[in-house]
Amino acid sequence: AAGVIQSPRHLIKEKRETATLKCYPIPRHDTVYWYQQGPGQDPQFLISFYEKMQSDKGSIPDRFSAQQFSDYHSELNMSSLELGDSALYFCASSPRGLGGVVNEQFFGPGTRLTVL
Amino acid sequence: AQSVTQPDIHITVSEGASLELRCNYSYGATPYLFWYVQSPGQGLQLLLKYFSGDTLVQGIKGFEAEFKRSQSSFNLRKPSVHWSDAAEYFCAVSGNTGKLIFGQGTTLQVKP
Repeated sequence: AAGVIQSPRHLIKEKRETATLKCYPIPRHDTVYWYQQGPGQDPQFLISFYEKMQSDKGSIPDRFSAQQFSDYHSELNMSSLELGDSALYFCASSPRGLGGVVNEQFFGPGTRLTVL
Repeated sequence: AQSVTQPDIHITVSEGASLELRCNYSYGATPYLFWYVQSPGQGLQLLLKYFSGDTLVQGIKGFEAEFKRSQSSFNLRKPSVHWSDAAEYFCAVSGNTGKLIFGQGTTLQVKP
């Protein structure tokens, strides 16, 4: 079965650089979520999209932005990177049920971002 | 505020022994509840979920969990632990927007 695809799997950047993380949801999933997991931490919700519109926003820094495209893939853009941005970034996708009912999320393998 | 508490940061059990991982949540409305498992450096795999209905839910790999509204708990259980169950376990809650709020996680170590 197809899974959530994230690219790249690993990324090394210098401070103040920019990074773009990509997420390809499971086919026919119209909702995408982004989470950030710091070392030894639980995943923290960043932002989500439903049918290409932002549906919810969490603790996402202003330096970060994201969008969902017409083919439902999503990109997380991170600028002015800081050492503290080093983390595992997960994307998850979900099919909305009838009437927009929330469903379970399927997680990708994550992108490990290291900021030097 | 919505929150999830996993009181046990680290648990060690012997292979073949039973397991219970605790999870308490704070949520204003009826929550959707989940248990995920994560191996080192890996993604999160859904073990089981509770949306409504029967409060005892069965999941993959022989796990089950029971939703107790009166105790705001959703504890995970397994009757006999295997060495391959060693991993980190996250309890999570979500509402109508779907965003997951995770607990701090419980690291399970299995002794041979």
